Amino acid sequence: GAGVSQSPSNKVTEKGKDVELRCDPISGHTALYWYRQSLGQGLEFLIYFQGNSAPDKSGLPSDRFSAERTGGSVSTLTIQRTQQEDSAVYLCASSAEPGLSTDTQYFGPGTRLTVL
Amino acid sequence: GESVGLHLPTLSVQEGDNSIINCAYSNSASDYFIWYKQESGKGPQFIIDIRSNMDKRQGQRVTVLLNKTVKHLSLQIAATQPGDSAVYFCAENTRRNQGGKLIFGQGTELSVKP
Repeated sequence: GAGVSQSPSNKVTEKGKDVELRCDPISGHTALYWYRQSLGQGLEFLIYFQGNSAPDKSGLPSDRFSAERTGGSVSTLTIQRTQQEDSAVYLCASSAEPGLSTDTQYFGPGTRLTVL
Repeated sequence: GESVGLHLPTLSVQEGDNSIINCAYSNSASDYFIWYKQESGKGPQFIIDIRSNMDKRQGQRVTVLLNKTVKHLSLQIAATQPGDSAVYFCAENTRRNQGGKLIFGQGTELSVKP
């Protein structure tokens, strides 16, 4: 079946512009996660959505970052007034139901963001 | 703060040899551990996981070992193949307190020589 998809695959923007990154999770998955991966680094947690619960925003680095998940499916990560340090690969993952034995997180291919 | 880290940033092995990738974690409350493989330009791919009530789990050509006493995790790959070349990440989760989010290590790059 279809995996996690993300768009765009690459995004180049100018410092100070806003960007929106999209994630389509695996159908039926209730949990959705955003991570950030800087060059040569591990993944850094950003935000986590689970069903209708309030999202866990504890990993968002600043108030320029926000995310929403509409209808329990598609999610959009928005970065306002982008800075050069925001350049990274933004990865989305989804899982069936955290807390149970089948909650493996499956990742999308990522969006590579470059801020000039 | 809490962290998950790797002992070796790079590992080069001969095709057909066994590979061992190590990982240390610092949060004694962690109860779930995962290994991911990431090829260049792709997202991480799930390899194998293990829960804290186990100390060993085997998959196809891969084995994960967990030593809670010293907070150490390892991934063993048998008969390493060129297709195994990638960056390998360990990740941990403390479900009870942190929901589903994963804390990742820095990664080990595995290079397989033909």
